[in-house]
Amino acid sequence: AQSVTQLGSHVSVSEGALVLLRCNYSSSVPPYLFWYVQYPNQGLQLLLKYTTGATLVKGINGFEAEFKKSETSFHLTKPSAHMSDAAEYFCAVSKAAGNKLTFGGGTRVLVKP
Amino acid sequence: DVKVTQSSRYLVKRTGEKVFLECVQDMDHENMFWYRQDPGLGLRLIYFSYDVKMKEKGDIPEGYSVSREKKERFSLILESASTNQTSMYLCASSPTNTGNTIYFGEGSWLTVV
Repeated sequence: AQSVTQLGSHVSVSEGALVLLRCNYSSSVPPYLFWYVQYPNQGLQLLLKYTTGATLVKGINGFEAEFKKSETSFHLTKPSAHMSDAAEYFCAVSKAAGNKLTFGGGTRVLVKP
Repeated sequence: DVKVTQSSRYLVKRTGEKVFLECVQDMDHENMFWYRQDPGLGLRLIYFSYDVKMKEKGDIPEGYSVSREKKERFSLILESASTNQTSMYLCASSPTNTGNTIYFGEGSWLTVV
């Protein structure tokens, strides 16, 4: 069975500071990995995904994530936080793209002026 | 543009009522999903369907059923609503091609009183 652990249910960062959201997964097969963002009262929007190939993945809004197989991690980063980054972020894993996703518990990001 | 539409954004139902949550996608996707979102638990899969009239249980199917009579429509049914089913429900769809994304609707907030 697959599982996803997101460290920290809440993260507070200052505007302009680095955003780092941690995600570790367990999977019996090579995984497909995703980060989604959810703004208040909205559904989930894909930030980025890893399927195969380059392990450093760039997504929308300046976010990127690196797949590290040896650490079973897929941490999300953004060099400089913006007020508009305040949202909840979900890491997810799938055995095949388009197949069902298993989600982590989510990390809510607060951006301070 | 990709569109997954959930018919009701906010619902209030009484304990014991039968509740229907409707979801329609306009992308001709084979796969459709129903997730439940609760604080700290992330999203948990209730049911999914990979073809018309086909369905499979997810991680938390108890108390729910689904119907998929047409490719574009996937309904979630609460046979007898209970207060512990108060939650946010998210519908999603995806094609079967590898490398593709799962697309989410905006969610339905259900309160059972």
